Amino acid sequence: KQEVTQIPAALSVPEGENLVLNCSFTDSAIYNLQWFRQDPGKGLTSLLLIQSSQREQTSGRLNASLDKSSGRSTLYIAASQPGDSATYLCAVRGITGGGNKLTFGTGTQLKVEL
Amino acid sequence: DVKVTQSSRYLVKRTGEKVFLECVQDMDHENMFWYRQDPGLGLRLIYFSYDVKMKEKGDIPEGYSVSREKKERFSLILESASTNQTSMYLCASRNTASNEQYFGPGTRLTVT
Repeated sequence: KQEVTQIPAALSVPEGENLVLNCSFTDSAIYNLQWFRQDPGKGLTSLLLIQSSQREQTSGRLNASLDKSSGRSTLYIAASQPGDSATYLCAVRGITGGGNKLTFGTGTQLKVEL
Repeated sequence: DVKVTQSSRYLVKRTGEKVFLECVQDMDHENMFWYRQDPGLGLRLIYFSYDVKMKEKGDIPEGYSVSREKKERFSLILESASTNQTSMYLCASRNTASNEQYFGPGTRLTVT
């Protein structure tokens, strides 16, 4: 059974810092990995999707990497801003069990302080 | 822009009531999903639909049913609401070309 872990569970940084969020998964048989952002009481916003054949994806100040063989992904946020404060979730789409399901981590709650 | 909408942001129902949660997407996606999100447990898949009138159980289907009569609409039904179904419910649709999932704003359901 796929398990997804995100460390740390919470993180507080001063504005302007570069930071890395970590995601690990136990079953490397995946189609892709997706990073989401969730603001309090709201739905999820897709940030980046990395296919299993890719090593990284970039969007603006965000860069996500994938090392499928070791079961790890990182989300790098450059020059953090208070507006980046949110919970960040990673999710993997596994091949086993039909390949339709996303398995989510429980998230990293990020606070960027002025 | 993909848009996934849910019929209610907040809902309060009594134990034993029948509850309908509606989800609509406007991008002609074939795949649609219902999740619930609880503190410490993360998001868990309730049901998945891969086409009109087609459905599959997710990890926690007990106490729920679904309906997909039209491609754009996916409904979650709680036949007899119970207090342990108090949760945030999130609907999603998937673009089968890009594999990205897009989520609605969520419905926070309280069962008293």
